[in-house]
Amino acid sequence: GNSVTQMEGPVTLSEEAFLTINCTYTATGYPSLFWYVQYPGEGLQLLLKATKADDKGSNKGFEATYRKETTSFHLEKGSVQVSDSAVYFCALLPIQGAQKLVFGQGTRLTINP
Amino acid sequence: EADIYQTPRYLVIGTGKKITLECSQTMGHDKMYWYQQDPGMELHLIHYSYGVNSTEKGDLSSESTVSRIRTEHFPLTLESARPSHTSQYLCASSENREYETQYFGPGTRLLVL
Repeated sequence: GNSVTQMEGPVTLSEEAFLTINCTYTATGYPSLFWYVQYPGEGLQLLLKATKADDKGSNKGFEATYRKETTSFHLEKGSVQVSDSAVYFCALLPIQGAQKLVFGQGTRLTINP
Repeated sequence: EADIYQTPRYLVIGTGKKITLECSQTMGHDKMYWYQQDPGMELHLIHYSYGVNSTEKGDLSSESTVSRIRTEHFPLTLESARPSHTSQYLCASSENREYETQYFGPGTRLLVL
């Protein structure tokens, strides 16, 4: 079946540190891949997405590259800010079936000044 | 910016009460979804709809029910609330096309005493 595995949290970094949150997936074919972010007290917001192999999604300084060889979609940012503190969800949308998002378990990120 | 709204944002209610959580979107999206988010952050799909008069149960069994009489409106009802229903409920919508992004509302945080 389809599944997403994310790096376990919580993750705590200092401001301006480099961020990587690992995400790997299992799916049939080539699903679309997403990173969503959830700020405290809010719903999920789309951060970035990629719909085919080798695509790179980017937004607000965050990047992730769709790697079919390693079935991965790791999230990276070169210099994090306190305002990046949130929960990050990796997700896939299968190409077959009911088109339902499959989420990872979420990674809580805290950035200290 | 997605236009999807949920009311109420917070609800504290006693056991046995009937409640309806409202979700509306102004984007004309055919697909709508309800997720339950437990305190450990994990998201579970409990209901979805492909359009008017279409409703399906999600991956997590839920005692709630939904209806889809209008495209823009997808309310969720609990006939008799219990403490085990305490959770955050997130509504989402998307266009009825392949690889389409889901847009989320701000969520309703429910506490059943």
